[in-house]
Amino acid sequence: RKEVEQDPGPFNVPEGATVAFNCTYSNSASQSFFWYRQDCRKEPKLLMSVYSSGNEDGRFTAQLNRASQYISLLIRDSKLSDSATYLCVVNPTAGSARQLTFGSGTQLTVLP
Amino acid sequence: GAVVSQHPSRVICKSGTSVKIECRSLDFQATTMFWYRQFPKQSLMLMATSNEGSKATYEQGVEKDKFLINHASLTLSTLTVTSAHPEDSSFYICSASNRSDSNQPQHFGDGTRLSIL
Repeated sequence: RKEVEQDPGPFNVPEGATVAFNCTYSNSASQSFFWYRQDCRKEPKLLMSVYSSGNEDGRFTAQLNRASQYISLLIRDSKLSDSATYLCVVNPTAGSARQLTFGSGTQLTVLP
Repeated sequence: GAVVSQHPSRVICKSGTSVKIECRSLDFQATTMFWYRQFPKQSLMLMATSNEGSKATYEQGVEKDKFLINHASLTLSTLTVTSAHPEDSSFYICSASNRSDSNQPQHFGDGTRLSIL
């Protein structure tokens, strides 16, 4: 079983749509959780951290369910510029090195 | 602006060539840097953790003699792909952890696209 598993996608949605991505992680001791965005042939960029209480940043809402080891990302009112691959990322261990484990990513294409 | 600089961004070379990739933290000291590899349509896979002043820690299945890592200063880590072959063609990305920045777990370089002919 992969340490971090995501919806394989691809997701093709019209502009203005709401889209949700899911992610599960296998290590129950994981400490912190993130969503990154990666554009084609570019480095990943932090989109947002994910907190147990759920958090929102503009059109983006992230949620964490530690009991189910499940993370989600909701994008409302999709824009063309949201087209990218979204990576679910987990920090599996406590400590200063902050090593990260990446999911394989979910590709999103927002269509005009 | 970029806080981690990776160079070169693109390398095309013949089989058997050794290729060195540099990763620099521009405005913070990074005792730990990470090297990842990403094949097309796949996830970033951690290759090794680079520790300043000591030997790198390699992930299972990554040959330390093939992928030489040097982290001689707090702002520079290098990855050398020795005697590269076509199967080493990939996107290599470094990252650095800034202990002073609790919002960003790691800052990523722009990546190096390596193509071995």
